[in-house]
Amino acid sequence: EAQVTQNPRYLITVTGKKLTVTCSQNMNHEYMSWYRQDPGLGLRQIYYSMNVEVTDKGDVPEGYKVSRKEKRNFPLILESPSPNQTSLYFCASSLSLGEETQYFGPGTRLLVL
Amino acid sequence: KQEVTQIPAALSVPEGENLVLNCSFTDSAIYNLQWFRQDPGKGLTSLLLIQSSQREQTSGRLNASLDKSSGRSTLYIAASQPGDSATYLCAMSEMNTGFQKLVFGTGTRLLVSP
Repeated sequence: EAQVTQNPRYLITVTGKKLTVTCSQNMNHEYMSWYRQDPGLGLRQIYYSMNVEVTDKGDVPEGYKVSRKEKRNFPLILESPSPNQTSLYFCASSLSLGEETQYFGPGTRLLVL
Repeated sequence: KQEVTQIPAALSVPEGENLVLNCSFTDSAIYNLQWFRQDPGKGLTSLLLIQSSQREQTSGRLNASLDKSSGRSTLYIAASQPGDSATYLCAMSEMNTGFQKLVFGTGTRLLVSP
């Protein structure tokens, strides 16, 4: 089954404790991205990747890092989480840009205390 | 900066009604527009994708239209069912940002009662 998977689905952590949210897709997609969703603000892009080893900032990259060492994986790293990073996070992928539907993972709900 | 507005923010209808969800945007230089459905605890599911050269797309009971000149898209749901209850989001990729991201509206929360 074609899908985007994220782990963990739910996470409670404390300020400053490094964490990684994994994202994996099995559709051989080149393009992957991370969004966060907050009430009243909608979904906002954090980082995106055009292909392996090619990443760039989205609208709200502060406090986040990403890497794209393999085509299928695009982890999101919070090196020193803060309470303002409490949010619902989505990973998305598509075959290419512009023409294609984006496929979204199920989301990771993060609470930073 | 592109601003996307979805009206109404919430909608409650009885089963069987036809309904229209609205999406307005300020910058007409878009590459495509997508309508998504979001269910609680789940990710977003793409419903329809309209390229900028197209005016509408249809899938089953869903029909989405796009009018770039007026900055509007509508999602029409025919004969609504309780299973249609979800949050509906419109999103667009823009030409001037090189298509790298989708700009989302804040959604319309739909409740269809049996």
